[in-house]
Amino acid sequence: QKEVEQDPGPLSVPEGAIVSLNCTYSNSAFQYFMWYRQYSRKGPELLMYTYSSGNKEDGRFTAQVDKSSKYISLFIRDSQPSDSATYLCAMSGISGNQFYFGTGTSLTVIP
Amino acid sequence: EAEVAQSPRYKITEKSQAVAFWCDPISGHATLYWYRQILGQGPELLVQFQDESVVDDSQLPKDRFSAERLKGVDSTLKIQPAELGDSAMYLCASSAELGAMGTEAFFGQGTRLTVV
Repeated sequence: QKEVEQDPGPLSVPEGAIVSLNCTYSNSAFQYFMWYRQYSRKGPELLMYTYSSGNKEDGRFTAQVDKSSKYISLFIRDSQPSDSATYLCAMSGISGNQFYFGTGTSLTVIP
Repeated sequence: EAEVAQSPRYKITEKSQAVAFWCDPISGHATLYWYRQILGQGPELLVQFQDESVVDDSQLPKDRFSAERLKGVDSTLKIQPAELGDSAMYLCASSAELGAMGTEAFFGQGTRLTVV
């Protein structure tokens, strides 16, 4: 079993829709949870970063962590065509020194 | 804005040839990572440095891959000889401090390697 599981999609939504992206994990030692956005042929860029459980909001993006269920989510409100990318979840333990990535979910927002 | 620099952006090489990638992390970042990302998959760690020391190279195919970070700043990843299965994006990332809270990793644009 992989440390981090993520549905690869692809996911296609109309502009303005609410998008929900999810990851599950098996290692209860994970404490730091990150979401990266990766455009085609580019390196991943950090979108959201959360420590332990709870919610974090940044503009149209909301990250949620449920450690009891080992489940994290990224919500995108009012999705835009420019949000079309692959979204990677990543997580690490208390030492924060090794990151485990999901396979990424490919998202297309249709104008 | 500070960023992780990688070169070259693209590299095509014949199998059995040697190839090298270079990375310059964000200034002051002590931790440097090399990841390999196969198309359609997430990044997988190859090697991690803390300053000039290797922290984790358990997933590095040491028969053909080598990495160094001699002065604890920039780093080079080498493959010799390259194999067809090495075709992938090679990503370098850096983070500010090992074990510190708020330790996000910032990525470079990557080097896309094609072995023919």
